[in-house]
Amino acid sequence: EAGVVQSPRYKIIEKKQPVAFWCNPISGHNTLYWYLQNLGQGPELLIRYENEEAVDDSQLPKDRFSAERLKGVDSTLKIQPAELGDSAVYLCASSLGVRLAGDNEQFFGPGTRLTVL
Amino acid sequence: LAKTTQPISMDSYEGQEVNITCSHNNIATNDYITWYQQFPSQGPRFIIQGYKTKVTNEVASLFIPADRKSSTLSLPRVSLSDTAVYYCLQIGSGGGADGLTFGKGTHLIIQP
Repeated sequence: EAGVVQSPRYKIIEKKQPVAFWCNPISGHNTLYWYLQNLGQGPELLIRYENEEAVDDSQLPKDRFSAERLKGVDSTLKIQPAELGDSAVYLCASSLGVRLAGDNEQFFGPGTRLTVL
Repeated sequence: LAKTTQPISMDSYEGQEVNITCSHNNIATNDYITWYQQFPSQGPRFIIQGYKTKVTNEVASLFIPADRKSSTLSLPRVSLSDTAVYYCLQIGSGGGADGLTFGKGTHLIIQP
């Protein structure tokens, strides 16, 4: 079974440009997560989706970041405009759910490494 | 803000048993302790999850005492490939963002 797919794997842009990341979760997983990971730090949750509903988005900088999960499957995370400080790895993960132990095991994609020049 | 506390780094040798402790003094009744492993340039990978006492799977054991204020991840007979960052999380049944805090993790280095 395919794991979580993310694209692109790498992206280099100039500041003030827009950028988008795409994530395809594991089939049947209702919960989808977007994380940001800076070098030497652990992942930081940006937003969590339960099917197509966004929950736990308090850490998402809504002035420049947006996300969507149409039809409760694939998801896109967008930054517009990008700033130098946005350089990081953006990780997507999915899980069956969150209510039951075992269901909340997260499967992570390889991430997108963003460099803002 | 990370709710768990774990050592920043540890090192050991191949073939040894490694125990990584995690402190979670404010654990809630419905929280589970979950450990993830992360290699460079990869996303984290689930290792083990437990609520109390002992849980064992094919790669690790997790010991949680009765008061549940700490836990210990035990890796038996480590190899060089176990060099990674290990994260301890306390995740509630609602999956709230507060529990999805990875912190800085423990950098485990295994030497020959």
